[in-house]
Amino acid sequence: DSGVTQTPKHLITATGQRVTLRCSPRSGDLSVYWYQQSLDQGLQFLIQYYNGEERAKGNILERFSAQQFPDLHSELNLSSLELGDSALYFCASSVSGQGYEQYFGPGTRLTVT
Amino acid sequence: AQSVSQHNHHVILSEAASLELGCNYSYGGTVNLFWYVQYPGQHLQLLLKYFSGDPLVKGIKGFEAEFIKSKFSFNLRKPSVQWSDTAEYFCAVSPYNTDKLIFGTGTRLQVFP
Repeated sequence: DSGVTQTPKHLITATGQRVTLRCSPRSGDLSVYWYQQSLDQGLQFLIQYYNGEERAKGNILERFSAQQFPDLHSELNLSSLELGDSALYFCASSVSGQGYEQYFGPGTRLTVT
Repeated sequence: AQSVSQHNHHVILSEAASLELGCNYSYGGTVNLFWYVQYPGQHLQLLLKYFSGDPLVKGIKGFEAEFIKSKFSFNLRKPSVQWSDTAEYFCAVSPYNTDKLIFGTGTRLQVFP
């Protein structure tokens, strides 16, 4: 158990819908990262938040957005879902930023039908 | 663009065999290097990391990796694998002064008793 929790574990939804994935970081960790793992793209960095502020952006689609709340939990919002958005979405957290180990959550498996 | 290549997609070994998984990255500057492991049904866990100093780093469970700067490589090794090492292994790079991890496509290792 890494100490990072993600809900839900599985999500099945239809094209065009909107979903919210939730992540609670390890106690004391200020940074939260979101990654997408798909068969064709592998593991890709989406976005990072540090203490409530966006710090870095990766290959995140405009239909996707994230935020980090004052209690440091984070949500990833995916809208206008397409079949290609089906993937495992991982959240990771670290104490600070660069140089610190990222601890990964168990992931949310999203299936878009 | 920064990228990480893992040459072996699927490796099958018998117990006690030696293991070497290749990892090469393309980035001209200073990087931090990582190997993560994902056991079946579990979250990603850090095996080992290299930030600076001795290019031969030792990680958990008897794994080690060697950073060869001239070859842009960070190969993972284990002298004698066990059935419990069956998992997917990911090499990752974090360019200096950034927090994001750029992952390779992963290598699936199967160890047979």
